Amino acid sequence: EPEVTQTPSHQVTQMGQEVILRCVPISNHLYFYWYRQILGQKVEFLVSFYNNEISEKSEIFDDQFSVERPDGSNFTLKIRSTKLEDSAMYFCASSLLVSGNTIYFGEGSWLTVV
Amino acid sequence: TQLLEQSPQFLSIQEGENLTVYCNSSSVFSSLQWYRQEPGEGPVLLVTVVTGGEVKKLKRLTFQFGDARKDSSLHITAAQPGDTGLYLCAGDRGTSYGKLTFGQGTILTVHP
Repeated sequence: EPEVTQTPSHQVTQMGQEVILRCVPISNHLYFYWYRQILGQKVEFLVSFYNNEISEKSEIFDDQFSVERPDGSNFTLKIRSTKLEDSAMYFCASSLLVSGNTIYFGEGSWLTVV
Repeated sequence: TQLLEQSPQFLSIQEGENLTVYCNSSSVFSSLQWYRQEPGEGPVLLVTVVTGGEVKKLKRLTFQFGDARKDSSLHITAAQPGDTGLYLCAGDRGTSYGKLTFGQGTILTVHP
């Protein structure tokens, strides 16, 4: 069964450093997402991406965050200058359609900012 | 802010018992998805319900979408220890480019 894959599974970084989280969405999917889950809290929407541009972003997704689809398969989330409160599990997800459609999640990248 | 309230937050039962998890909102959703999440892993989709009043069955799991598409339930019959985990509901308003609103989850423990 096709799946969303993410790398790295776990990254520890110093506060202020840049981090890039990588994702390979399911191959025929057209919509891509990043969500995050701070330990013990709800899964939260960060951003959706379609046709090489951001479709929607949450208030969490400030100027420190950016997304990119550099080639036909990868989808990346960059955090320019990490803060302690960025420590969370980051989930990439993808779907074929945008509404009423199933969204499939990757296994997550656990980011620890120290 | 759209909220999805899940209840109960914790559920501890004996093997063989039945249980129901509820997901309620004041907002209408175009679809609602149920996921199961293991510690340190991503949510794994169980089912998507789209039509008001829809009932879907997945072996011992029965999912229902409310007629008004504001609420949903997950019923597990004859629970087994393998059902232990975190169950999440997530709603899609259909107007926000795939933005899912998640409930806070129900932690289910089934004791042998």
